[in-house]
Amino acid sequence: QQQVKQSPQSLIVQKGGISIINCAYENTAFDYFPWYQQFPGKGPALLIAIRPDVSEKKEGRFTISFNKSAKQFSLHIMDSQPGDSATYFCAASRRTGANNLFFGTGTRLTVIP
Amino acid sequence: GAVVSQHPSRVICKSGTSVKIECRSLDFQATTMFWYRQFPKKSLMLMATSNEGSKATYEQGVEKDKFLINHASLTLSTLTVTSAHPEDSSFYICSARGTSGSGDYEQYFGPGTRLTVT
Repeated sequence: QQQVKQSPQSLIVQKGGISIINCAYENTAFDYFPWYQQFPGKGPALLIAIRPDVSEKKEGRFTISFNKSAKQFSLHIMDSQPGDSATYFCAASRRTGANNLFFGTGTRLTVIP
Repeated sequence: GAVVSQHPSRVICKSGTSVKIECRSLDFQATTMFWYRQFPKKSLMLMATSNEGSKATYEQGVEKDKFLINHASLTLSTLTVTSAHPEDSSFYICSARGTSGSGDYEQYFGPGTRLTVT
């Protein structure tokens, strides 16, 4: 069973536009929600992460919005650039215990010039 | 900080041979490391959790006798694919659990190892 659902599977955005990727989870024990960026042939790199005690976190052009009651969170990439073209994974875990990350299925973002 | 390396970055081996992949945390100690497998255009699939000085915990469906994991020190975990077959060809990624600047546990990922079994 997929613990974290992610959409869309792929996304094409014009340069300068806003890229939005959505994720939903079921397990209310999750209390840590990171986003990873992965380029082809490379390992995932942490982009930004949020805890459920805040509804939004912004770092540069990247913003996470978190809706605890809906059990949803999303990544917004403002002023998208061709260099942002990559696969993005949301994930969820518990900050205590095993800290296993449960990944979404990934979104392949293409930013066209 | 929080750099994780993997070696080799890619390896080609013949069917029936064994391959060892190393995962090192370069600038921090990691009591826990994780091994993932990723198929093309797919998400990461957790294979096992490796704890320093103890046996690894394997996820359901992962053959522990085929994928041998050793976490002999706080900075090194190894994955050995024994008697490799073409279906074992995949991208293997490790991560090491460290502490972020905010004090949260965070998994720091290695660059991955591309295994091709001919």
